[in-house]
Amino acid sequence: GQSLEQPSEVTAVEGAIVQINCTYQTSGFYGLSWYQQHDGGAPTFLSYNALDGLEETGRFSSFLSRSDSYGYLLLQELQMKDSASYFCAVRSSGFQKLVFGTGTRLLVSP
Amino acid sequence: GAVVSQHPSWVICKSGTSVKIECRSLDFQATTMFWYRQFPKQSLMLMATSNEGSKATYEQGVEKDKFLINHASLTLSTLTVTSAHPEDSSFYICSAPELRRGRGDTQYFGPGTRLTVL
Repeated sequence: GQSLEQPSEVTAVEGAIVQINCTYQTSGFYGLSWYQQHDGGAPTFLSYNALDGLEETGRFSSFLSRSDSYGYLLLQELQMKDSASYFCAVRSSGFQKLVFGTGTRLLVSP
Repeated sequence: GAVVSQHPSWVICKSGTSVKIECRSLDFQATTMFWYRQFPKQSLMLMATSNEGSKATYEQGVEKDKFLINHASLTLSTLTVTSAHPEDSSFYICSAPELRRGRGDTQYFGPGTRLTVL
């Protein structure tokens, strides 16, 4: 089977830095993506890693280690609006479909 | 960025009726679209891959006769939940990938449709 494991919940305060981990076990691997989803809303794309290393996009960075089947999303200078669920997702085949992780609920407090 | 719309955004229906949900890519063509189901506080579960001009591909455990998918054009896919029952109540989300060179494919998600079956 295929699985992507994430911590269920992470809490932090405004201005802090938080890291959300994702470990995956899939039959194939074409890249690791991260999505943000606010309650009742649609997932929105945050970042994508196909190769090992760090990708930075503003306050968000994402890291991938293919040898460890591991990645993380780093959120800096946390804001209240960052409170949401975050999902890692792997494209495991050439057919573009994604397998989503279990999801991490981030709660940012004042 | 690319936009995907869904209609309706929410629907309440009686048990035994059928409900059709539309997913449209507004500013790009999508030969492939995906349909997901999400229960409260859970992850997105892929139901099926919708292919323009051909039959949909269903994930294991998803009843193809219950969840009918039609991808009649390059911008429209529909999901029909037939003979809906309360256990079908969920948040249904579609997505469409837009291939970007060097960036893999980014999936654009519709706003979702909340289905409540009484």
